[in-house]
Amino acid sequence: DAGVIQSPRHEVTEMGQEVTLRCKPISGHDYLFWYRQTMMRGLELLIYFNNNVPIDDSGMPEDRFSAKMPNASFSTLKIQPSEPRDSAVYFCASSGGRGTGNEQYFGPGTRLTVT
Amino acid sequence: GNSVTQMEGPVTLSEEAFLTINCTYTATGYPSLFWYVQYPGEGLQLLLKATKADDKGSNKGFEATYRKETTSFHLEKGSVQVSDSAVYFCARVNYGGSQGNLIFGKGTKLSVKP
Repeated sequence: DAGVIQSPRHEVTEMGQEVTLRCKPISGHDYLFWYRQTMMRGLELLIYFNNNVPIDDSGMPEDRFSAKMPNASFSTLKIQPSEPRDSAVYFCASSGGRGTGNEQYFGPGTRLTVT
Repeated sequence: GNSVTQMEGPVTLSEEAFLTINCTYTATGYPSLFWYVQYPGEGLQLLLKATKADDKGSNKGFEATYRKETTSFHLEKGSVQVSDSAVYFCARVNYGGSQGNLIFGKGTKLSVKP
């Protein structure tokens, strides 16, 4: 069992550039979550999907952020243009919902640094 | 409202000391409760869970009991090790139109000194 896979693990980019973070959930899970973690704000839910459909995107900070889930095995979080305040660790998590007790399984995260 | 409240850290203990990290929740009904652990540089991992009142979750020497009377789910360990140094998150399921979502506490950082 490979768990949740995220790529890249580390990303360093310059302000104004486009950043795309990728996530492969655990096979069979129908919920996918994107979180952001910083020292100042802690763990924040950005958006989550159920059966590839976005359910709640109220945590997405602004229009520069967008997320897609074109199929059950892949999701992207895009930041365009990036800003230094976007520097954080971004986690993807997946869950089987009530059928599996609602546990979420987290990926290792992508550490984003915007200079 | 619906929330999860944890004791603020950091918590610093000596090896073999007893650990308690308090967690209380507010909710309508009796949601499943969880403790997650985040080791440095890693994602959150499920540590233990309880799905109904009076259930006790346990794993790796950690325990937590679902107390509906006090709406609490305190994490305990009888003898901590240096390797337990991590950030611990309490969480509960949010059923309010968002099935499968979890509400997390702010996390409590634990440092165990040899």
